[in-house]
Amino acid sequence: KAGVTQTPRYLIKTRGQQVTLSCSPISGHRSVSWYQQTPGQGLQFLFEYFSETQRNKGNFPGRFSGRQFSNSRSEMNVSTLELGDSALYLCASSLTVGGKNTGELFFGEGSRLTVL
Amino acid sequence: EDQVTQSPEALRLQEGESSSLNCSYTVSGLRGLFWYRQDPGKGPEFLFTLYSAGEEKEKERLKATLTKKESFLHITAPKPEDSATYLCAVPTSGTYKYIFGTGTRLKVLA
Repeated sequence: KAGVTQTPRYLIKTRGQQVTLSCSPISGHRSVSWYQQTPGQGLQFLFEYFSETQRNKGNFPGRFSGRQFSNSRSEMNVSTLELGDSALYLCASSLTVGGKNTGELFFGEGSRLTVL
Repeated sequence: EDQVTQSPEALRLQEGESSSLNCSYTVSGLRGLFWYRQDPGKGPEFLFTLYSAGEEKEKERLKATLTKKESFLHITAPKPEDSATYLCAVPTSGTYKYIFGTGTRLKVLA
């Protein structure tokens, strides 16, 4: 069974640019979450989607946005990049029953973004 | 406010030297405490879920336990391949937002 797939794995951008990251969840998983991981802050929750709807959002500025498609694949976008956005962006999928997450998150390998 | 705190930040052990990692949490209505292992450059890998005080789970050299305030990850006779960052996480009250601790970086020396 294929795991969570994230693309691209590495990317370098300059300040002011925008970036789109993609995530394909494990087949059958309908909940997709995004996390930002930095050495200083650890894993910080960005948002969670289920059935193309954002159910939860973390404390990040509006430059961070996401969406989920009907096939459960998800994308996140960061506009007007800042140096502080350099991080590992992790996507996780979760099995749901009746719309409720069953618990464990299954993470992809992440997209490492460097902003110069 | 929901919170997760892990200690120590880093731990160096000799191969075979057992120890414990701590995860203290504050959350209303615990819906599970999750342990993950993360290797450098990779995403976290799920290890255990604990739901109620007194519960224990084991996997190879790892055993996780849970009380009403904290969880411990006991590592018995560790090997160098156990070197990794160990993270714990809890879902916040009524949401699917998970709060992660900052992790314990474990290094096991041969």
